[in-house]
Amino acid sequence: DAKTTQPPSMDCAEGRAANLPCNHSTISGNEYVYWYRQIHSQGPQYIIHGLKNNETNEMASLIITEDRKSSTLILPHATLRDTAVYYCIVRPLNYGGSQGNLIFGKGTKLSVKP
Amino acid sequence: NAGVTQTPKFRILKIGQSMTLQCAQDMNHNYMYWYRQDPGMGLKLIYYSVGAGITDKGEVPNGYNVSRSTTEYFPLRLELAAPSQTSVYFCASSGTARGIQPQHFGDGTRLSIL
Repeated sequence: DAKTTQPPSMDCAEGRAANLPCNHSTISGNEYVYWYRQIHSQGPQYIIHGLKNNETNEMASLIITEDRKSSTLILPHATLRDTAVYYCIVRPLNYGGSQGNLIFGKGTKLSVKP
Repeated sequence: NAGVTQTPKFRILKIGQSMTLQCAQDMNHNYMYWYRQDPGMGLKLIYYSVGAGITDKGEVPNGYNVSRSTTEYFPLRLELAAPSQTSVYFCASSGTARGIQPQHFGDGTRLSIL
């Protein structure tokens, strides 16, 4: 089962920031938080990951709370092309066998509206 | 920059037929994965491989087989197709399982068993 909890859906106005929350209250010290998204009919796309510090790349920012029990993915200026299902996943840094595999929950369906 | 390529994109099978879903990656990744995604659900791992000649079962392996004779290719075999195998199948690869390498996904094969 997924170790994360996300709202099933969210709306965002085009051009505004989209803030997608994720709860991972049972996260372990060696587990990273990953975010992927899946645009309709396409394969999942990697967005960003982090351990405990906030991270930013060309796609998004990731804010992780100090206790690491929750995080927020921020799309600073959402466009219509950001409409997708967003998955928050926790994954250990060092692992072997099947532990390294991504466990996808149902994610959050983000709808960006004009 | 092809990344992960899956063929075919669509296929309709009759119950009891067999087929092989093809997956190729050109990134020289050691790790490869097969997932299935049922409508409205997250991805579930079928099989994975940590390198040529090494494969292992994931969460839902029944009814499938895999082989990994080279680094580049990781085909998924359905021997006796059943309606429950109607799904979208995604292949993914990553540089290593250790560390923080993200997985790169293909665009999927949409399979219907009638």
